[in-house]
Amino acid sequence: DTAVSQTPKYLVTQMGNDKSIKCEQNLGHDTMYWYKQDSKKFLKIMFSYNNKELIINETVPNRFSPKSPDKAHLNLHINSLELGDSAVYFCASSQSRLAGNNEQFFGPGTRLTVL
Amino acid sequence: GQQLNQSPQSMFIQEGEDVSMNCTSSSIFNTWLWYKQDPGEGPVLLIALYKAGELTSNGRLTAQFGITRKDSFLNISASIPSDVGIYFCAGQLRVFGNEKLTFGTGTRLTIIP
Repeated sequence: DTAVSQTPKYLVTQMGNDKSIKCEQNLGHDTMYWYKQDSKKFLKIMFSYNNKELIINETVPNRFSPKSPDKAHLNLHINSLELGDSAVYFCASSQSRLAGNNEQFFGPGTRLTVL
Repeated sequence: GQQLNQSPQSMFIQEGEDVSMNCTSSSIFNTWLWYKQDPGEGPVLLIALYKAGELTSNGRLTAQFGITRKDSFLNISASIPSDVGIYFCAGQLRVFGNEKLTFGTGTRLTIIP
């Protein structure tokens, strides 16, 4: 009974390809996030969705497009992959924008390697 | 974007020692969270703090929300091998419509046999 799950765990691909990473949470949370962790382990928010609505969109190239078919899923599609996209991508979720806390729960990560 | 400064960057300690680390920000937050990340895994929430001056414990871990609201501290007492990992602080200024967490640079804890 995994709380936040991501697929795939590892993704190795060539430059220029298009790829998707999927995320699902079974916590009943309303808000989901995508983070990027670079080689120095720095975690940076990319996107956030609340109930399928985009609420945070950091300065991310428009090759990255999140899609939320329902509040339990937030997928990340990346077009025309570049070497600099190599990183670990984490999905996270939290209860609600209206909740008194913003405790975010993370998935296990997807390690993307662009060759 | 904003980064939180965590120190120390890395620690090498012996089993049984106590550990202290801190996180400072140039701006105020009204939420501080502490996470631990094991190799190949996602960050796991350890402690959440919501009030300036608050002191909260979770087993051997104790964290404090600094009175200035610009810093937070994490202590681990009597360290054990499974404490090894990277510890991240994260701050948030909770305003409706902004749930963004800003993460610290991390403290890597290693236990020397």
